[in-house]
Amino acid sequence: AAGVIQSPRHLIKEKRETATLKCYPIPRHDTVYWYQQGPGQDPQFLISFYEKMQSDKGSIPDRFSAQQFSDYHSELNMSSLELGDSALYFCASSRSGANVLTFGAGSRLTVL
Amino acid sequence: GDSVTQMEGPVTLSEEAFLTINCTYTATGYPSLFWYVQYPGEGLQLLLKATKADDKGSNKGFEATYRKETTSFHLEKGSVQVSDSAVYFCALSDQSGTASKLTFGTGTRLQVTL
Repeated sequence: AAGVIQSPRHLIKEKRETATLKCYPIPRHDTVYWYQQGPGQDPQFLISFYEKMQSDKGSIPDRFSAQQFSDYHSELNMSSLELGDSALYFCASSRSGANVLTFGAGSRLTVL
Repeated sequence: GDSVTQMEGPVTLSEEAFLTINCTYTATGYPSLFWYVQYPGEGLQLLLKATKADDKGSNKGFEATYRKETTSFHLEKGSVQVSDSAVYFCALSDQSGTASKLTFGTGTRLQVTL
């Protein structure tokens, strides 16, 4: 069965650079969520989209932005990267009204 | 706001031992409750869920019962295996809006030894 696809799996950036993470949800899933998991931490909700509109917002820094496209894939854009942005970024998808989220394998961002 | 509290780890057990990982929650309304598992270097996998009071979720020998009176969703397994070594996250989702984000606990690392 198709799963949630995230790319890239690993990314290394310098401070103050920008990074873009991509997420391809399971087919027919219309809702996408982004989470950030720091080392040894629990996943923290950043933002979600339903039908290409932002549906909820969590602890996403102003330096980050995200959007969902017409094919339902989503991109998380991170600018002015800081050392503290080093984390595992998970994308999850679901069908609207279904509260079971399926997670991707994550994108590990390292900021040097 | 909503929150989830898990027992701290790591939990170290011998193979075939009984496992309990405690989880309690605070939420308005009637949340759904989940256990996710994260194996080393991998993403989060749904282990089991319960959507209403007294529901029991079960999968791969793991069980958890949604207890509204004690606001708990403790994870149990009668006989753990080395392959169960992972980090276990308790989580809840509220029912508001069209997207039901999850609120996670801090995770409990389980180590099972021979």
